Amino acid sequence: EIVMTQSPATLSVSPGERATLSCRASQSVSSNLAWYQQKPGQAPRLLIYGASTRATGIPARFSGSGSGTEFTLTISSLQSEDFAIYYCQHYNNWPPWTFGQGTKVEIK
Amino acid sequence: QVQLVQSGAEVKKPGASVKVSCKASGYTFTGYYMHWVRQAPGQGLEWMGWINPNSGGTNYAQNFQGRVTMTRDTSISTAYMELSRLRSDDTAVYYCARSGGGDYIGVVVYWGQGTLVTVSS
Repeated sequence: EIVMTQSPATLSVSPGERATLSCRASQSVSSNLAWYQQKPGQAPRLLIYGASTRATGIPARFSGSGSGTEFTLTISSLQSEDFAIYYCQHYNNWPPWTFGQGTKVEIK
Repeated sequence: QVQLVQSGAEVKKPGASVKVSCKASGYTFTGYYMHWVRQAPGQGLEWMGWINPNSGGTNYAQNFQGRVTMTRDTSISTAYMELSRLRSDDTAVYYCARSGGGDYIGVVVYWGQGTLVTVSS
């Protein structure tokens, strides 16, 4: 089973600043990596798939990069609605398609 | 628009089983895989498995092998997840979620609203 490790666990950022979240896979997942956003009491929402492709309706301030074992989600200028928990998930080859433990982005 | 509507909250005793339903609309039910993902209180997301609604084929995460059964009824565009021999640590919100297409069957694109299952004596 591929283990996904996210860092940091919590990121404190001021509105308008840039946030950079990391996700590392225990073995290569090529570009088969997705990012999700989850707000309290809500289901997760798909942000990015294919490591760097934004899902439908996702603002351009969200961008993803990386391949292999190292991935990054960048939020270029944090808006109030972006404070949430972010999860990465690999979907390489065959299941299980595991999630990272999440990064909480909180207001500084 | 794609909608996944799940059944309501359940309270079960340890050792019992629970069956959660997920009614899909707004797309061709047999055209996309259905994932099940759970989230314990205050914890992260845990992928449980998927079902191919077209064939009925399934793939379960090892953590749930032998306890989980995913089925579907194509006549009513509904997927089901049954978890048996419940334990207190099975208390969680259970989500059904539709996959992407083609190369993206592992991507979870649309999510249901979640079903809280509480296991307590």
